[in-house]
Order: sequence, then structure tokens, then C-alpha cells
Amino acid sequence: QKEVEQDPGPLSVPEGAIVSLNCTYSNSAFQYFMWYRQYSRKGPELLMYTYSSGNKEDGRFTAQVDKSSKYISLFIRDSQPSDSATYLCAMKDSGGSNYKLTFGKGTLLTVNP
Amino acid sequence: GAVVSQHPSWVICKSGTSVKIECRSLDFQATTMFWYRQFPKQSLMLMATSNEGSKATYEQGVEKDKFLINHASLTLSTLTVTSAHPEDSSFYICSAARGGGAAKTQYFGPGTRLLVL
Repeated sequence: QKEVEQDPGPLSVPEGAIVSLNCTYSNSAFQYFMWYRQYSRKGPELLMYTYSSGNKEDGRFTAQVDKSSKYISLFIRDSQPSDSATYLCAMKDSGGSNYKLTFGKGTLLTVNP
Repeated sequence: GAVVSQHPSWVICKSGTSVKIECRSLDFQATTMFWYRQFPKQSLMLMATSNEGSKATYEQGVEKDKFLINHASLTLSTLTVTSAHPEDSSFYICSAARGGGAAKTQYFGPGTRLLVL
């Protein structure tokens, strides 16, 4: 079993739809959870960063972490064609100086106008 | 804030030559930087962790003599692909860690596309 599982998609939705992206993980030591957005041929851009369980909202984006289920989600409201990208979940533990991230494979999202 | 740049953005070179890629944190100091490689339609593969003033830590299977990493200052890390071959063609991305303690997270550069002919 991989440490982080993420459905690669592709996921195609109409403009204005609510998008739900998810990752599951197996390592209970993970404490910090991130979502990155990566446009084609570009580096990943940090979208959301959460610690432990709970919700965090930033504009049209909401990140949820459920540590009891080892499940994290990213919701995009009122999706726009400019949201079309690959979304990577990433996570890490809080041990010492270990800043390594464990990534999901990424979900390719297309928002159709 | 948290801007990371890479140079060059893309490079084409002949087989057997060496290529240097620079990674800079523009508005913060980064004691730790990371180098990744990404193949088409795949996720990021960590190659090495670079700490300022010390030797880089390479992931298993990454040849340290082929991928030379130097983290000479708190804002600059370089990756040199020595004697490059076509199989080294890839998208190389760096990141810099920012923040305090365990909450540090990584901010990525725009990537460098390398094509070895």
C-alpha cells in the first residue's frame, strides 16, 4: 500500500461546478497537509496548508482533514477554466528536522467553459 | 512572499556535456532546499535534500556523482547534471523550505526543462 493514494483522474467538470479532490494516507504520523496546484510545464504552487484535523477556507477553496479516517479533501467552489491544472496533495510528519513531503500522484482537473 | 526562481527555464545540450541549474529563494532565506525530478504525467520524485553549508542528502538510487548539488548560501542552491545523457532529459524542479520548526513547508520554483540530445 502506498503511503498516499490519490485518484489521478482525469476529472472533467463544467464551469461553475463544485469540485471535490481527495487523498487517503496510511502513515498516522502525518500532521501537516498541503494542496499544490501545478499548471502544465510549471512548478507546483502552494494552495492550502493545514495542520492536524479540521477545515480551512481561502476564497473558493476549502481544505478538510480527517485524521481519524486518514482522509483529506480539497473543495473548489464555482470552478473556473483557470482552475484547470493538476492538483497534488502532500503531507509530512512533525519529526525533528524532517521537512520531506510525501506526495500523491496528482489529479488532473479540466474545467470546461 | 515565498518566491523561488530557477534558471534556466529550459536548456538543450549535447550528450556528454554538463548542465548547471540554479535555484534561488528571492524573498526569504532557506537553510533547506530540495531538488525534484518529474516525468510527464507523473508526480514529483525527490532527488536530494540540500542544506546550506553541508553536503546534500541523496535519495536512494540517485547518483550523487552525476547530480552534484551545492548549497553555497541561504538563497542559492545549484544542481549540476554531469556528463548528461538522453535519459537525463526531464523536468527538474527545486523547492525551498520556509517557516518555523516542524511547520516549515516547501515553495517551488517554476522548473527547468532539460533536453539532452
